[in-house]
Order: sequence, then structure tokens, then C-alpha cells
Amino acid sequence: DVKVTQSSRYLVKRTGEKVFLECVQDMDHENMFWYRQDPGLGLRLIYFSYDVKMKEKGDIPEGYSVSREKKERFSLILESASTNQTSMYLCASSIGGRVGETQYFGPGTRLLVL
Amino acid sequence: AQTVTQSQPEMSVQEAETVTLSCTYDTSESDYYLFWYKQPPSRQMILVIRQEAYKQQNATENRFSVNFQKAAKSFSLKISDSQLGDAAMYFCAYRSGLNYGGSQGNLIFGKGTKLSVKP
Repeated sequence: DVKVTQSSRYLVKRTGEKVFLECVQDMDHENMFWYRQDPGLGLRLIYFSYDVKMKEKGDIPEGYSVSREKKERFSLILESASTNQTSMYLCASSIGGRVGETQYFGPGTRLLVL
Repeated sequence: AQTVTQSQPEMSVQEAETVTLSCTYDTSESDYYLFWYKQPPSRQMILVIRQEAYKQQNATENRFSVNFQKAAKSFSLKISDSQLGDAAMYFCAYRSGLNYGGSQGNLIFGKGTKLSVKP
């Protein structure tokens, strides 16, 4: 089974702090994604990556950056956390190279910024 | 740009009965993929069912089936013999069938439908 893990289930940070959310997948997937999920808004794509060191902006990249130094690991960085970044963050991965492939999700990190 | 609409924020069904969740989408493409994902409370999001637009036959996975109406751009999910474990948020998602590259390869999600199952 594909396993996607995220470093924390719950996180509480203060405004202005630098926050790292980490995601690891164990199936050698090429593609990895970061979404945020807010009630009534569904899932919105923040950033995605097709390969190591490759990244592209999604629909709401402002205030976020990402890093993919190794194929299995995709980090989301909040350079200076703000209260409007309080949300559920979901990581996903997919095989890549095939159209229509399934995305597999991690359990999510619920971030509260005070 | 493609959009996905789930018009039912919440639905409720009696255990053992059948429920249908609605999803419509807007696209000018003819080749694409549609998905239903399930997110149980405090648990991981998982794929329920997947449909390829070029296939006319509706996808089925055990108690889950879809009614795919390409001309109407409708992709509803039917859950038969509902069980308590079916209670979850359900998300409909769209993916372009174009060659993978750029934002074309990403999933576009609806806002979700929260399904409750009554014992």
C-alpha cells in the first residue's frame, strides 16, 4: 500500500514564526502536492512538484514556499506564519508520467497560528 | 478554466438505504478524468472511484457506483446499502486528460458534501 506520512497531526505556532511541514511518501512517486483545506472551500492547491528540485505554484502560493531535495520528501514552508494560514494542510503524491493517475493523501496537519 | 460544483453541502441517509451525491463540472476538454474521494472524520482521504471520460461505461466499486453523463457534465456518486462507516466528507475532483505538465495535471476539487449515516 502507498503510504504518505506527514510530520505532525496538530501544530500550534505564533504569528511571525517560520513553520515547516514535512511530507514523506514511500512508493517512489514522482509527483507530490501540498493542499490546504478550509470549510466551505474544499481543497486548494498551494504548490506541487514533478521531480526532485522541481516545483511549480498552484492556485494559492502566496505566503508559502516548498522544498524537494529528495524524491520521497516534500516540505512546505511558511516563512512568517500569519493567522490566516490557520488551516488543515494535506500532502499528496502520485506516480507521475501517466495521465489520470490517482493521488494518495497523507493524514493532514491541522495548523493553528495564534 | 475548469470548475467542479457540489451543490449539496450536507446529506443524510438511513443505514442500509441508498444515497446519491451530486457533482457537476465545467470544461471545454473532451478527454479528462473524474474522481470521488472520501475523507472520514479525522482520517486520511482515500479514493472511492475513478472514471475516464472516454469510457461510456459507468465505474463501479462494490457498493459505490457513478452515473456519468458526459453531455450534461454530471458525475454523481451512488452509495448503496449505506453503512455507518460511509459517514464522511466526499469530494468530487476533475483532472485534465492533456499530457502531464504544468497546472493541467492537477486535480480540481469541489467544495465537498458531508454525508451523515443514521443508524
